Amino acid sequence: GQNIDQPTEMTATEGAIVQINCTYQTSGFNGLFWYQQHAGEAPTFLSYNVLDGLEEKGRFSSFLSRSKGYSYLLLKELQMKDSASYLCAVLDSNYQLIWGAGTKLIIKP
Amino acid sequence: GAVVSQHPSRVICKSGTSVKIECRSLDFQATTMFWYRQFPKQSLMLMATSNEGSKATYEQGVEKDKFLINHASLTLSTLTVTSAHPEDSSFYICSARRGGEDYEQYFGPGTRLTVT
Repeated sequence: GQNIDQPTEMTATEGAIVQINCTYQTSGFNGLFWYQQHAGEAPTFLSYNVLDGLEEKGRFSSFLSRSKGYSYLLLKELQMKDSASYLCAVLDSNYQLIWGAGTKLIIKP
Repeated sequence: GAVVSQHPSRVICKSGTSVKIECRSLDFQATTMFWYRQFPKQSLMLMATSNEGSKATYEQGVEKDKFLINHASLTLSTLTVTSAHPEDSSFYICSARRGGEDYEQYFGPGTRLTVT
């Protein structure tokens, strides 16, 4: 079967750094997406990794290791507005997106 | 950009009635559109995938006669919830994909359906 695991909930402090992990077991791999979703809103795109390594985009970075079936999203200089759910999704061999359950990130002052 | 709109953003209807939700790609042609449902504090659940001009592919457990999907053009897909019941109350979100080498899904803002 296809499986994507990410922690259910994480808490971090404003101004700090947090790393949200995602491990996957899918039938094939054509890339991994991270989306941010605020409560009551639709997801918004954060990053797409298809090759191993770290992709940096402002305060957010995403890392991928295909051999380990592992990715993480790194958020630096946390702000209160970063409180949201972060969704990991893998594009499988049929180019279908397989979604993780999401990680709810709580930022405390 | 790649903007997707949904209409209406919120709808309240009575049990037994039908509700239509529209999803439009405003500045690109969407070869594939997706419909998701999300219950409070739960993750996205894919309901169906539709390609323009062909029948939608429904996920296991989703009743195709209850959730009618029409993808009549490259910029418009509609989801009709027929004979809605209170348990159908949820957040319905559509997304669209351009096709080709672009596999990102561009999401609409969602429609909150409340069935009374």
